[in-house]
Amino acid sequence: ETGVTQSPTHLIKTRGQQVTLRCSSQSGHNTVSWYQQALGQGPQFIFQYYREEENGRGNFPPRFSGLQFPNYSSELNVNALELDDSALYLCASSLGTGENGNTIYFGEGSWLTVV
Amino acid sequence: AQKITQTQPGMFVQEKEAVTLDCTYDTSDPSYGLFWYKQPSSGEMIFLIYQGSYDQQNATEGRYSLNFQKARKSANLVISASQLGDSAMYFCAMREAPVDYKLSFGAGTTVTVRA
Repeated sequence: ETGVTQSPTHLIKTRGQQVTLRCSSQSGHNTVSWYQQALGQGPQFIFQYYREEENGRGNFPPRFSGLQFPNYSSELNVNALELDDSALYLCASSLGTGENGNTIYFGEGSWLTVV
Repeated sequence: AQKITQTQPGMFVQEKEAVTLDCTYDTSDPSYGLFWYKQPSSGEMIFLIYQGSYDQQNATEGRYSLNFQKARKSANLVISASQLGDSAMYFCAMREAPVDYKLSFGAGTTVTVRA
């Protein structure tokens, strides 16, 4: 058990729709990151939130957006879904960055299928 | 350029034997961290072991050890006394500083433990 929970675990959406994925980080962890993992590949960094502010972003278009709430839980929103957005979306939490961020825990992920 | 390279797409190992998973990395930053994760078919990324670039000794965590060769930029994972439950995908990842807010993952190695 990592203490990181994600919902929903599986969902199917239609191309062009919007989706919201949720993540509750481990207690006390103020940093949340999101990753996209396409089938057969390693995860790709989407963005990170630290104390409710986005403080890093990977090579993803603006239709990928997020939020972090005062309790450090987080949401990933994807607008105008495309077929290539079908993937496992992983949330990771850690206690800050630097040395404190050396323990990074992942949730079980949300499997998104776009049809 | 690929930051993390895992050259073994798949490996078979006999139960109770040891297995070594290769990982090479590319960075010009003197301060970085290396991680290994296990991903079963359920999707969750399970943290196994961490090695900091300034750590003098190789990291060990139970049956997992990391063979860190800094000059060669390699961070191989050794799993001793393999168990059937070790069958999974294994990912090597790196976090660089000062841009230390994301993990860069390799493509992964699938390990299958045979009884």
